[in-house]
Amino acid sequence: LAKTTQPISMDSYEGQEVNITCSHNNIATNDYITWYQQFPSQGPRFIIQGYKTKVTNEVASLFIPADRKSSTLSLPRVSLSDTAVYYCLVGDAGGYQKVTFGTGTKLQVIP
Amino acid sequence: AAGVIQSPRHLIKEKRETATLKCYPIPRHDTVYWYQQGPGQDPQFLISFYEKMQSDKGSIPDRFSAQQFSDYHSELNMSSLELGDSALYFCASSLILDGYTGELFFGEGSRLTVL
Repeated sequence: LAKTTQPISMDSYEGQEVNITCSHNNIATNDYITWYQQFPSQGPRFIIQGYKTKVTNEVASLFIPADRKSSTLSLPRVSLSDTAVYYCLVGDAGGYQKVTFGTGTKLQVIP
Repeated sequence: AAGVIQSPRHLIKEKRETATLKCYPIPRHDTVYWYQQGPGQDPQFLISFYEKMQSDKGSIPDRFSAQQFSDYHSELNMSSLELGDSALYFCASSLILDGYTGELFFGEGSRLTVL
């Protein structure tokens, strides 16, 4: 499984766009990139998943450069309720049953 | 929509006792995962089951065991409990389609306190 590196913490003001970058230098050809959000004392919640280029859904965008050695989760116009820990996971979608979480990014949204 | 159900939500045990946590996955999901999350820590993968067979193992202590039953619910059994076992235990489920694992759906967790 590819190791991931994310910033430990980030602060942002309400209404701003937040970009969280994850490094995964040894990502394998079959690996997908998945992001989860976790609030205190709650289970992680799926945000977005992608393989290459750009993926967008109703809550976030995921940017993956051509070399796929990093990825950036973009949260548009964050609100206080986006304060949470964000995890980047990289793994083989086909054999993705050992789904491991690394050290996430604690995002604090400031009024 | 049905979600992943975990029980009990809270459990208090003494050292050296045993505990059993239960997980009911989303209907028609074929894969169950167990995670342990200590205070201020990231979720640690313990074990997973695909179609009632153990599929992967993580940092699960030998004192712990788990299984998935014919109705797809899963149980995590913990024996000889230690203070360090105090944590939130999450269960998640997913559906493997064409060999592709999509989103994991997590339950609300079971909080185990060992005194």
